[in-house]
Amino acid sequence: ETGVTQTPRHLVMGMTNKKSLKCEQHLGHNAMYWYKQSAKKPLELMFVYSLEERVENNSVPSRFSPECPNSSHLFLHLHTLQPEDSALYLCASSQDLAVYGYTFGSGTRLTVV
Amino acid sequence: TQLLEQSPQFLSIQEGENLTVYCNSSSVFSSLQWYRQEPGEGPVLLVTVVTGGEVKKLKRLTFQFGDARKDSSLHITAAQTGDTGLYLCARKTGNQFYFGTGTSLTVIP
Repeated sequence: ETGVTQTPRHLVMGMTNKKSLKCEQHLGHNAMYWYKQSAKKPLELMFVYSLEERVENNSVPSRFSPECPNSSHLFLHLHTLQPEDSALYLCASSQDLAVYGYTFGSGTRLTVV
Repeated sequence: TQLLEQSPQFLSIQEGENLTVYCNSSSVFSSLQWYRQEPGEGPVLLVTVVTGGEVKKLKRLTFQFGDARKDSSLHITAAQTGDTGLYLCARKTGNQFYFGTGTSLTVIP
């Protein structure tokens, strides 16, 4: 596989469930990101990891918990979500904190019921 | 403010027509990127512009960065159905890129 791979592509979960989103990059990049894309809103940066260390956390609710075990993998753990958390969650990677731009995955379409 | 305004919000044109979409801010960009996002996929980087007045061409796409580095435009010549998608601009500030809300383009055969 090449590029940035996200799984699952679609997820429906209840408000009391716990689930995880997975992202894997095969580009040798050293930074990874989680973005949230909601209808009629700009992409919202949630978390930034550089060299497996979290460098940015943009006031994201604690019901979203990121994990970066190595430079190729990024997870987003979800628990007790709200319906307004329904959105497309995009993972991206870059070399050196986005000097040259991002490579995005195809996203996970999350629906909270 | 990091707000990026993109216009128009929606655009529907016939195949073969030309179009221009815009990205504007009240503050200066250090650099700006354009992405295209097709339905069901993540955004794909098209171009990065850095220098005021810079013009870059990518086949039928022409990207321009304003002289004052506060605005940018994307012009598509002879649009094709494969150009359909959401066009996003993004400005770099610190370690982050801030995105606009995008222009949703539909090219009708």
